Amino acid sequence: GAVVSQHPSWVICKSGTSVKIECRSLDFQATTMFWYRQFPKQSLMLMATSNEGSKATYEQGVEKDKFLINHASLTLSTLTVTSAHPEDSSFYICSALGTGPYEQYFGPGTRLTVT
Amino acid sequence: RKEVEQDPGPFNVPEGATVAFNCTYSNSASQSFFWYRQDCRKEPKLLMSVYSSGNEDGRFTAQLNRASQYISLLIRDSKLSDSATYLCVVNSGNTPLVFGKGTRLSVIA
Repeated sequence: GAVVSQHPSWVICKSGTSVKIECRSLDFQATTMFWYRQFPKQSLMLMATSNEGSKATYEQGVEKDKFLINHASLTLSTLTVTSAHPEDSSFYICSALGTGPYEQYFGPGTRLTVT
Repeated sequence: RKEVEQDPGPFNVPEGATVAFNCTYSNSASQSFFWYRQDCRKEPKLLMSVYSSGNEDGRFTAQLNRASQYISLLIRDSKLSDSATYLCVVNSGNTPLVFGKGTRLSVIA
């Protein structure tokens, strides 16, 4: 099946710094990628939809200036958490839309801890 | 009302038991339905799609009732390795998947 990678798998950073997370589709081209966030014991919550070559679409309540998304190529989308705070600590998961209907492939996730 | 609702559990069952999870969804326009499995600190992985006619994959059986907007997952002969969180997921066309909070299962020796 299709493979999606994420980097880094975990990161610890200090409050106020910015962190970039990469999401790559390894063996297919993904014009659309999704970014989710999951807090402990909560469901995955969609943050934004990332389309190659255009601006991302953010869900209500997600600050676009804080969570910068860049989908510059058909195989790479990046999420930058700017000026991170402890409340941004979470599990961030990306997924890529495949070619078939309803096919969505998940990356392994990035665990962010802001101290 | 949340889009996808599940009993969070936990369900603690002995090995060999049969356990069933239920899920309801609010969007009647939902077109596709899935059960995902998520292990602790890992990404969710597709367990099986759910069809109106019901479908079975080994020890797992999924059912969909569109009229009641209700989805179920039955696990027979539970194994220790079945311990995980099971996520009910719905989709409306080519849109992002909508996840329930998940039902946590612990299978005990």
